[in-house]
Amino acid sequence: QVQLVQSGAEVKKPGASVTVSCKASGYTFTTYAMHWVRQAPGQGLEWMGWIYAGNGDTKYSENFQGRVTITRDTSASTAYMELSSLKSEDTAIYYCARNVAGTGWLDPWGQGTLVTVSS
Amino acid sequence: EIVLTQSPGTLSLSPGERATLSCRASQSVSSNRLAWYQQKPGQAPRLLIYDASRRATGIPDRFSGSGSGTDFTLTINRLEPEDFAVYYCQQYGGSFTFGPGTKVDIK
Repeated sequence: QVQLVQSGAEVKKPGASVTVSCKASGYTFTTYAMHWVRQAPGQGLEWMGWIYAGNGDTKYSENFQGRVTITRDTSASTAYMELSSLKSEDTAIYYCARNVAGTGWLDPWGQGTLVTVSS
Repeated sequence: EIVLTQSPGTLSLSPGERATLSCRASQSVSSNRLAWYQQKPGQAPRLLIYDASRRATGIPDRFSGSGSGTDFTLTINRLEPEDFAVYYCQQYGGSFTFGPGTKVDIK
C-alpha cells in the first residue's frame, strides 16, 4: 500500500536550519508530486510548497520568503524539506503529502514530524 | 491568494444527526477544485472529498460534498462516533490554501 514515512522529531535553536525527510513506498515515486504542509500547535494547516518528483520542478508559498527548499532523491524515493532561519513561530508539525501532478488534492499524508524551535 | 472561510467554527451534534459544514472562498474556485479533509487528534489529515463532490477511495457514502464557485458544503449524514473531528477545506484552483477548519464535537 502507499505509505509515506517521515523522519523523527527535531529540536533546533533560533536561526538554525532543519531538514525533514519523507520516504515513499508502494508507488512509482517519479510519477507524483510531493507537497509539504505544516500545522502549528492547536492551529490549522498551512501549505508550504511542492516538488514534482519526476523532474524536480518546485513551487513555494510566498509566505516563507525563500526560507524553504524542497528536494528529492529519486534513487531513495525520498523527498526533503529544508527550512532555514528558524524562528520560534516555526514550531509545528510538518507533513508531507502525495499529489497527482496537475491535480491538487493530497492523499495520503505522512505521519508528521514535530519540529520545535527553542533557545 | 484565495482565502477560505469555514463556518461554523464549532458544530455540536449528537450521533445520528446530520452535519452541514460550509466553506466560502474569497473568489471563485476554478473548476471547483476544492477538497475536504478530516483530522482527528494526534493524526494526519485524511482526504474525504476532492473536486468538490468526488468521494475519495474508501470514504463512506454518508460523506458528501457539493457546491461551486465560491460556496461549498460538506454534509455528513447520520454522524457516527468516529466522525467527531476537525474538518478542513482546501482549494487548488489557484495555488493552494486551506480553510481554518470546523470542529464537529459531541453535544
